Amino acid sequence: DAMVIQNPRYQVTQFGKPVTLSCSQTLNHNVMYWYQQKSSQAPKLLFHYYDKDFNNEADTPDNFQSRRPNTSFCFLDIRSPGLGDAAMYLCATSVRDSFYEQYFGPGTRLTVT
Amino acid sequence: AQSVTQLDSQVPVFEEAPVELRCNYSSSVSVYLFWYVQYPNQGLQLLLKYLSGSTLVKGINGFEAEFNKSQTSFHLRKPSVHISDTAEYFCAVAGTASKLTFGTGTRLQVTL
Repeated sequence: DAMVIQNPRYQVTQFGKPVTLSCSQTLNHNVMYWYQQKSSQAPKLLFHYYDKDFNNEADTPDNFQSRRPNTSFCFLDIRSPGLGDAAMYLCATSVRDSFYEQYFGPGTRLTVT
Repeated sequence: AQSVTQLDSQVPVFEEAPVELRCNYSSSVSVYLFWYVQYPNQGLQLLLKYLSGSTLVKGINGFEAEFNKSQTSFHLRKPSVHISDTAEYFCAVAGTASKLTFGTGTRLQVTL
């Protein structure tokens, strides 16, 4: 089945230690998104790619970076995680003309100790 | 700017009872509205969407929603819920630059 895969499902990192979360898709969608979701809150868009065009949200901290080496893969890098970065990180994909129909991965739950 | 407000953070309901989850929107442009569902430890899944046309839209798992322009609402309904409907439900509006804005979610808790 075509799907969005996120690895790892659970990630524990230390305060200030860089961490990378990965997302892959077999849907061949040209748009990929990264969301941050804290407990009992709405998913918050961090950035998204149209193909290789990177679109950063204005309020996304500089601590968060992303890479998309090809259509299938997208990475979220947190350069110096703080305690406030503990959250669920969701990757999603869509076709550009139907951006509202997004396909989500199961998420990576990040714990910062 | 677009926004949605979900008025209830939690809705407890007994199995086989009807349920309504409320959502109000604010938008200065054409309105595209959606409901997404998030089961425990999973990502979000599109439940239904309103783009244009009939104001009553039907989605998966027996859910439906009605777009009401005069009341700026897009409430989600199901006539008879099942235990498996226990999940977080997010209302969303399509905004500018091809982005979705989500509400804060409503936790539907179905019990026997």
